[in-house]
Amino acid sequence: NAGVTQTPKFRVLKTGQSMTLLCAQDMNHEYMYWYRQDPGMGLRLIHYSVGEGTTAKGEVPDGYNVSRLKKQNFLLGLESAAPSQTSVYFCASSYTDRPVSYNEQFFGPGTRLTVL
Amino acid sequence: GESVGLHLPTLSVQEGDNSIINCAYSNSASDYFIWYKQESGKGPQFIIDIRSNMDKRQGQRVTVLLNKTVKHLSLQIAATQPGDSAVYFCAENTGGFKTIFGAGTRLFVKA
Repeated sequence: NAGVTQTPKFRVLKTGQSMTLLCAQDMNHEYMYWYRQDPGMGLRLIHYSVGEGTTAKGEVPDGYNVSRLKKQNFLLGLESAAPSQTSVYFCASSYTDRPVSYNEQFFGPGTRLTVL
Repeated sequence: GESVGLHLPTLSVQEGDNSIINCAYSNSASDYFIWYKQESGKGPQFIIDIRSNMDKRQGQRVTVLLNKTVKHLSLQIAATQPGDSAVYFCAENTGGFKTIFGAGTRLFVKA
């Protein structure tokens, strides 16, 4: 099992450019999440999905869009990148055979994004 | 407001010694707590969790203690090894999909 994978690993964008980050998991998890991690701060939830075809906003959704067309994939899009979106982005997934409150999350290796 | 914090941003220990990493939380309604380890350039990795109806849980070389009276969580690592060097952060779940993550403590293990 590869677990949770993310592409790309690194990316540099200019202000106003768009891009899509891809997350894939092979654990048949229903729940998937996108977080950003900034220096000196904890992970913050951007968007999440409780299943194929469904998405929901997290704590910091502005400037991002997501799609979950396939159960194993969760895409994070930036339509018009801004320097404030410079961060490390992590995707995660978790089981559904227990209450979601008690689910451990499995994280991908991260994507380091710089917006100039 | 709700927050998950750490008492020390860095911790340096001698190889073989025990490590204790502390965490304070402010939401008394939180019922599930998790410790993660994050190595440089990698994603967070689950270490151990504990529910609010417990005050202690042990894993392999790790123990988590929960003191609900003072809203305090700690991670104890026995016989710390160089491979334990990483950032450790706690997280609390306040119900459903809302998990609040702390900023982390960096653990240095001296050989």
